[in-house]
Amino acid sequence: EVQLLESGGALAQPGGSLRVSCAASGFTFSNYAMTWVRQAPGKGLEWVSGISDSGVITDYADSVKGRFTISRDNSEHMLYLQMSSLRVEDTATYYCAKEQDFGEFLESPFDSWGRGTPVTVSS
Amino acid sequence: QVVLTQPPSASASLGASVKVTCTLASGHRSFAIAWHQSQPGKGPRFLMKVKADGSHIKGDGIPDRFSGSSSGAERYLTISNVQSEDEADYYCQTWAIGIRVVFGGGTKLTVL
Repeated sequence: EVQLLESGGALAQPGGSLRVSCAASGFTFSNYAMTWVRQAPGKGLEWVSGISDSGVITDYADSVKGRFTISRDNSEHMLYLQMSSLRVEDTATYYCAKEQDFGEFLESPFDSWGRGTPVTVSS
Repeated sequence: QVVLTQPPSASASLGASVKVTCTLASGHRSFAIAWHQSQPGKGPRFLMKVKADGSHIKGDGIPDRFSGSSSGAERYLTISNVQSEDEADYYCQTWAIGIRVVFGGGTKLTVL
């Protein structure tokens, strides 16, 4: 059974930094692209960033480009999102998700999701 | 240009059927989409992938009363015999290298 467990969400100050993590199990992590999606309070889902199976290819939403960095450790089955220069509007629950198709990047839907980790940016 | 458009709300009586619509913008009418269910306190749940030809592939464990279809630029999620546990927000998603990942605004389903 695929399991994705996010952690690291916390209260952070505007302009500050935070790293959220996602521990993956139940599938061959290194074979699948992964992604981060967020949901602000009372709002819809917003794609944040994605990374290919090897980690070579990454992409970001315009709203976070230059501030957030996605990475992965295939040996540890971990996905990360390093968030810097945080803004109040980054307040959201952050979900990690797995792409459905083997070896693809941005070519299939997300077929497994974690439960999310909450990030609050406030002074 | 908004790629995916959903009505903000829908409702259905217990045991009835409901069809939720996701409309693709012009230029994207051939795209496949995915449907996800989101409930408070839970992570989203992948329901199915729906292709332009109307074929759909459901996720593991998704009940038979959930189905998908297509017509032109519209992709549908139909829930038959609606249950109280189906009350949720439903999001459509599409993806491509050029547009990255896009979600519709979500449809809040109320079960009466």
